[in-house]
Amino acid sequence: AQKITQTQPGMFVQEKEAVTLDCTYDTSDQSYGLFWYKQPSSGEMIFLIYQGSYDEQNATEGRYSLNFQKARKSANLVISASQLGDSAMYFCAMREGRGNQGGKLIFGQGTELSVKP
Amino acid sequence: GAVVSQHPSRVICKSGTSVKIECRSLDFQATTMFWYRQFPKQSLMLMATSNEGSKATYEQGVEKDKFLINHASLTLSTLTVTSAHPEDSSFYICSASSTGRDNQPQHFGDGTRLSIL
Repeated sequence: AQKITQTQPGMFVQEKEAVTLDCTYDTSDQSYGLFWYKQPSSGEMIFLIYQGSYDEQNATEGRYSLNFQKARKSANLVISASQLGDSAMYFCAMREGRGNQGGKLIFGQGTELSVKP
Repeated sequence: GAVVSQHPSRVICKSGTSVKIECRSLDFQATTMFWYRQFPKQSLMLMATSNEGSKATYEQGVEKDKFLINHASLTLSTLTVTSAHPEDSSFYICSASSTGRDNQPQHFGDGTRLSIL
């Protein structure tokens, strides 16, 4: 069975510094996708970054980068130059299969990030 | 970009009332939509997969008769919480994917906070 694990319930980071949010996963599939979402206190889910299991390079999107270590089954999110607006819950999620519009997401427990001024 | 609209954003009603939540894909067609439930400070739990023109697929432990799902068109799925009770109070959020591309994330509605008195 698929499983996503985020071991950090809460994290603090100083404004302008970088922070790494951990995510490990478990799947028997060869093809899968990994996603990170941000959820502010207002509740909406904001897509941040995607990593495919066959992608050879780590994904990057602006200040977000994904440290993908396939052999270790980890997909950690790195946020550089933290901003106060980055304070939120962050969820790692996995979708199995390729080209699968119907693929459901399995979410980790989430990490609550607090950015200190 | 692709947008998913969810309505209403907040509902407060008496015990025994049935509540309908709508999830619309605004600029794309979605043959599949997903309904999640989230308790405070917890992760998103998939309740069911909504399939256009056919019956929804419910996750284990989710009562089909309590949470009715109708996906009557390619842009609309509804979740009806029937005879709601205080224990049904939660944050409900829907999502959909616009294409079958691997790196296309699911787009989420803004969620519905349901409070049953």
